[in-house]
Amino acid sequence: AQSVTQPDIHITVSEGASLELRCNYSYGATPYLFWYVQSPGQGLQLLLKYFSGDTLVQGIKGFEAEFKRSQSSFNLRKPSVHWSDAAEYFCAVGSYNQGGKLIFGQGTELSVKP
Amino acid sequence: GAVVSQHPSWVICKSGTSVKIECRSLDFQATTMFWYRQFPKQSLMLMATSNEGSKATYEQGVEKDKFLINHASLTLSTLTVTSAHPEDSSFYICSARVWTGNSYEQYFGPGTRLTVT
Repeated sequence: AQSVTQPDIHITVSEGASLELRCNYSYGATPYLFWYVQSPGQGLQLLLKYFSGDTLVQGIKGFEAEFKRSQSSFNLRKPSVHWSDAAEYFCAVGSYNQGGKLIFGQGTELSVKP
Repeated sequence: GAVVSQHPSWVICKSGTSVKIECRSLDFQATTMFWYRQFPKQSLMLMATSNEGSKATYEQGVEKDKFLINHASLTLSTLTVTSAHPEDSSFYICSARVWTGNSYEQYFGPGTRLTVT
């Protein structure tokens, strides 16, 4: 079955500390992988995406993610978190064969302490 | 570029009435749009795929007669919640699919919060 798992429902980090949000997927086809951020009551903003090539991808706002096929993972990282990064983060997987339909993980809520 | 709008952003309606939500791609055309539903503190659940000029494709478990989708133009898809009940209260988000040349991507609207009283 196709699925996306974000094991951490809620993470709290101190401002300036590093961040890693985990994402594991189970998908039959060659996946496209995405990370989105959602602020309260808002739609989703794309942080970064992977579909081929270099497995370390850079995104907006200083985020990066690494695709590890052997581990079926696509973890999101940021070296130094800012208070404005507090939000909900969603990992998603899709494919060309599925017409771009996305399966979302459960989300990880990030809180940032001063 | 690639902006998607939704209208209204927030709506309250009485139980038994219908409400229409619009999703527009402002600066590009989208033959395919998606409709999602999101409950508080939960993930996005795909409800249906809206294709311009044809019938929508609904995900398993979504009542097509309750959630009417119309995609009459390349820039507009509408979701009508018919005979709304309090359990239909939710955050509804649309997205527009684009082909970037080597992958599909979705651009999301800001969402519509529906409260049924």
